[in-house]
Amino acid sequence: KAGVTQTPRYLIKTRGQQVTLSCSPISGHRSVSWYQQTPGQGLQFLFEYFSETQRNKGNFPGRFSGRQFSNSRSEMNVSTLELGDSALYLCASSVGRQGAQYFGPGTRLTVT
Amino acid sequence: QKEVEQDPGPLSVPEGAIVSLNCTYSNSAFQYFMWYRQYSRKGPELLMYTYSSGNKEDGRFTAQVDKSSKYISLFIRDSQPSDSATYLCAMTSSNTGNQFYFGTGTSLTVIP
Repeated sequence: KAGVTQTPRYLIKTRGQQVTLSCSPISGHRSVSWYQQTPGQGLQFLFEYFSETQRNKGNFPGRFSGRQFSNSRSEMNVSTLELGDSALYLCASSVGRQGAQYFGPGTRLTVT
Repeated sequence: QKEVEQDPGPLSVPEGAIVSLNCTYSNSAFQYFMWYRQYSRKGPELLMYTYSSGNKEDGRFTAQVDKSSKYISLFIRDSQPSDSATYLCAMTSSNTGNQFYFGTGTSLTVIP
């Protein structure tokens, strides 16, 4: 089975712009979660989608949003980018909401 | 108090040593426990997935969960230089909304 894929892998954006990241889960996985990882803060939970509905949301501002499509693929969007948004954004999928999460390789976002 | 506490290390051991990695947690509701390995600039890779208390062994890796002490461990036997990575613990429960909580990670270096 193919693993979790994320596109793009690397992204450079300017402060104030917006960005959309994409995640394709493992086939058959219906839950998709997004995380932000930085050296200082570690893995921070952004949100979780299951059956196209947001089930959990972390403590991030409204500039961070996401959605899930009927084929379980997910996108996250960050508007009005700030320098502090520079991070590795990780997507993880699982069969159900409590199953082990499998991570993609991440999208490394740099905001200049 | 953080939900999950993990000593960041760094931990440095000679090749062949037994490595012990640990996490403590505060919420007794957690039921599912995981260990991930993350190489530099890569996504976390699932190593072990356990439910409730007890031990689970997979090759050179053994995961232990002590729910009475709110303490989980990962043991690596016959450590290899390829085990050099950051190890993250994670846990979740239906009673916590199925949100995953991660430790900050322990950096391990195995010296040949």
